[in-house]
Amino acid sequence: EDKVVQSPLSLVVHEGDTVTLNCSYEVTNFRSLLWYKQEKKAPTFLFMLTSSGIEKKSGRLSSILDKKELFSILNITATQTGDSAVYLCAVEINSGGGADGLTFGKGTHLIIQP
Amino acid sequence: KAGVTQTPRYLIKTRGQQVTLSCSPISGHRSVSWYQQTPGQGLQFLFEYFSETQRNKGNFPGRFSGRQFSNSRSEMNVSTLELGDSALYLCASSSNHYGYTFGSGTRLTVV
Repeated sequence: EDKVVQSPLSLVVHEGDTVTLNCSYEVTNFRSLLWYKQEKKAPTFLFMLTSSGIEKKSGRLSSILDKKELFSILNITATQTGDSAVYLCAVEINSGGGADGLTFGKGTHLIIQP
Repeated sequence: KAGVTQTPRYLIKTRGQQVTLSCSPISGHRSVSWYQQTPGQGLQFLFEYFSETQRNKGNFPGRFSGRQFSNSRSEMNVSTLELGDSALYLCASSSNHYGYTFGSGTRLTVV
C-alpha cells in the first residue's frame, strides 16, 4: 500500500525562526512529489519535485527531493505569522495512464508565534 | 484564468439520502480528481477522471461514484449517506501533470 508520512505533525516556532518539514514515502511507480499549503479550504500549490537533488526555491521557501532515500524536505526561512498553516506533502503515482491522483500525508500543522 | 469551481459550497443532508457534488476544472484541463478530507484521516484520494474515463480509484465503498462529462466538468455522487461521510470534499484539476490545482471544496454535513 502506498504510504506518505510527514513529520512533525505539529510545530510551534517564533517569528524569524527557520523550520524544516519532512516527508517520506513508500510508493510504487513514483512520478512526482508535491507540497501544498492549506490555510482554510483549498490547498495552494507550492512545489512539484520530480528529480533528485535539485532544489526548488520560491522566496523564503525551498524544497528538495531525495529519490534514493525516498524523502523530501520543505524549508521555510525567516518565518512570518502568515506562514501559519497546514503543510501537505503528496505523491503522484505513474500507472502508465498519466495523472492518477495524489496520495497525501497527514500534514504538518505549523504555528508561528509573534 | 478562472480557477477550479466547486458547487455547492455547503450542504446539509440526512442519513440515507444521496448527494451530488460538482466540479468545473480550469479551462483546458482534462484531468479531474476528487478527495475527501476529514480531521481523522486527512486528505484521501477518491477517484480520478481523464477524458470521461475513470483511470484510478481510491479505497472507498461503492456508494461513492463519479463521472466526467465531455466538457471535463465532473460530478461525484454519494448514495445512502452515513454520518461518517461528513467531510470537506475537494476536487483538483491538472494538465500535463504540472501540479494539481484545487477548488475551495464542498463542506458536506450529514445529520
